[in-house]
Amino acid sequence: GQQLNQSPQSMFIQEGEDVSMNCTSSSIFNTWLWYKQDPGEGPVLLIALYKAGELTSNGRLTAQFGITRKDSFLNISASIPSDVGIYFCAGQTGANNLFFGTGTRLTVIP
Amino acid sequence: ETGVTQSPTHLIKTRGQQVTLRCSSQSGHNTVSWYQQALGQGPQFIFQYYREEENGRGNFPPRFSGLQFPNYSSELNVNALELDDSALYLCASSRTGALDTQYFGPGTRLTVL
Repeated sequence: GQQLNQSPQSMFIQEGEDVSMNCTSSSIFNTWLWYKQDPGEGPVLLIALYKAGELTSNGRLTAQFGITRKDSFLNISASIPSDVGIYFCAGQTGANNLFFGTGTRLTVIP
Repeated sequence: ETGVTQSPTHLIKTRGQQVTLRCSSQSGHNTVSWYQQALGQGPQFIFQYYREEENGRGNFPPRFSGLQFPNYSSELNVNALELDDSALYLCASSRTGALDTQYFGPGTRLTVL
């Protein structure tokens, strides 16, 4: 299946700092999704992107759908302790085929 | 809380055995998708059920099978368990089958010894 590479693999940041992470693929996707997963829970959708170049915000989170349709970026501004978790990108091609990235583990130091 | 529930929470099986995992979808949702999440990896799509029929499948062998019931709850069955089947199994439900509007359950942690 498609391979989605996320970077960085893990991040340690101070509370209040901004965070940037990205996701790249060798394949083109029609939709990019960003999820957060906390321990013992399933992923929760943060942002969905539907068009190349699209920039969408959800509170302190901003994500962009890359122009080439092979990448996407997620930024978190002014991080807080509850931002801790694993962030996954996911790309959708057909109607029911969703491919997840390898994840970025975020640790926020108070 | 997403309204999607899964049982059991944890399960230990031995190689060669069979296992059934269960998922209750959120009220009003008619589509259930199943994912396998190995330790340290992202979820991998197994298959989707819409109105009791399989509606798409990922790269998983036939020993992974499923069912959806008239109340839209679902089962994932895995036969002839292998050590590599050890993973968190997630189900997700949605109203229309659109993967960008689905809600995930907390998962079932399967360990194969």
